[in-house]
Amino acid sequence: GAVVSQHPSWVICKSGTSVKIECRSLDFQATTMFWYRQFPKQSLMLMATSNEGSKATYEQGVEKDKFLINHASLTLSTLTVTSAHPEDSSFYICSLDLNYGYTFGSGTRLTVV
Amino acid sequence: GIQVEQSPPDLILQEGANSTLRCNFSDSVNNLQWFHQNPWGQLINLFYIPSGTKQNGRLSATTVATERYSLLYISSSQTTDSGVYFCAPIHTGNQFYFGTGTSLTVIP
Repeated sequence: GAVVSQHPSWVICKSGTSVKIECRSLDFQATTMFWYRQFPKQSLMLMATSNEGSKATYEQGVEKDKFLINHASLTLSTLTVTSAHPEDSSFYICSLDLNYGYTFGSGTRLTVV
Repeated sequence: GIQVEQSPPDLILQEGANSTLRCNFSDSVNNLQWFHQNPWGQLINLFYIPSGTKQNGRLSATTVATERYSLLYISSSQTTDSGVYFCAPIHTGNQFYFGTGTSLTVIP
């Protein structure tokens, strides 16, 4: 099946800095990718749908200027957390729509100190 | 959006025991998947099951879309089955929403 590579696996950053998370599809051309956030002991919440070559679609309550999504090619989507604050500390996961199911990246654990 | 509830929220099993996890959803769905999230956070797709029954080894799943529920059966549980199990229906479009999850702990 398709393989998704998400990088980095974990990152610690200072409050006020920006962090970029990459999601790569290694063997599948993905026109659509999804970004999720998971707080400890909670379910995954859809943040946005990333569309290749166009603007991302954000879920209600997700600040598009804070969580910048770029899907410039069929194999790469990036999520940039801008001006990160401790409340942004979370587990971020990307996924691809394979048309017959979904596959997920390994996730990025972000800690903002 | 669609509401997804899973039960039980927490489950502790003795190794070798069987269990049934339930997923109820509030609206019609186009599809549904079951996932296992291991203790390291990795999500593993278990079943893609809009309706009917599927089996894969010790796991099987049944979705009754008309009654808005799905069941995941785990037989002869093993310690490696520990983790959180999520169901995720697809309501409209191609996006789906995760249920509340069932946290499973299998003790030796």
